[in-house]
Amino acid sequence: GQQLNQSPQSMFIQEGEDVSMNCTSSSIFNTWLWYKQDPGEGPVLLIALYKAGELTSNGRLTAQFGITRKDSFLNISASIPSDVGIYFCAGPNSGGSNYKLTFGKGTLLTVNP
Amino acid sequence: GAGVSQSPSNKVTEKGKDVELRCDPISGHTALYWYRQSLGQGLEFLIYFQGNSAPDKSGLPSDRFSAERTGGSVSTLTIQRTQQEDSAVYLCASSPGPWNEQFFGPGTRLTVL
Repeated sequence: GQQLNQSPQSMFIQEGEDVSMNCTSSSIFNTWLWYKQDPGEGPVLLIALYKAGELTSNGRLTAQFGITRKDSFLNISASIPSDVGIYFCAGPNSGGSNYKLTFGKGTLLTVNP
Repeated sequence: GAGVSQSPSNKVTEKGKDVELRCDPISGHTALYWYRQSLGQGLEFLIYFQGNSAPDKSGLPSDRFSAERTGGSVSTLTIQRTQQEDSAVYLCASSPGPWNEQFFGPGTRLTVL
């Protein structure tokens, strides 16, 4: 099946620093999704990307859909303590089962105040 | 409005016992999903319900796992004869339709001793 490789696995940064994480796949995805999961909660959708090359921002978050359709990155600028959590990339399976999402293993972000 | 709710939030059981996990989706959402999240892993698709259509059970890991959705609303995931490897967080999500943003519940943390 489709797999998403997410890196880095974890990051420890100081408040105010910028963060970058990425996701790659051996197969093409037509949509890239970035989720954040707070401790004890379910994932929440941050950004959705639908077009190769698309660059989308949501506040301090910026994500891009790679032109090869096999990668995506998420940047967080001027990090704050509440950015702590696990960030997942995800994408729908191809074909008729596109309701199924494949998730990366996540990037655990720790922000030191 | 109310989000997706799941109960119980935590469940500790002994190996060999059966467990039932409940999901209340957002009212009006026709699509419902179950995922499993093992420690340090991404989310693994288990099963998908859409309206009155036959569910997609392709992600269920063994025949000990089953799920129902009654009246197009509440869903129950049942694990029979639990094993230690079943220990994980079980997440439920719902969406307005087959390919819309999935809204996740807080999950049920299952521990099999």
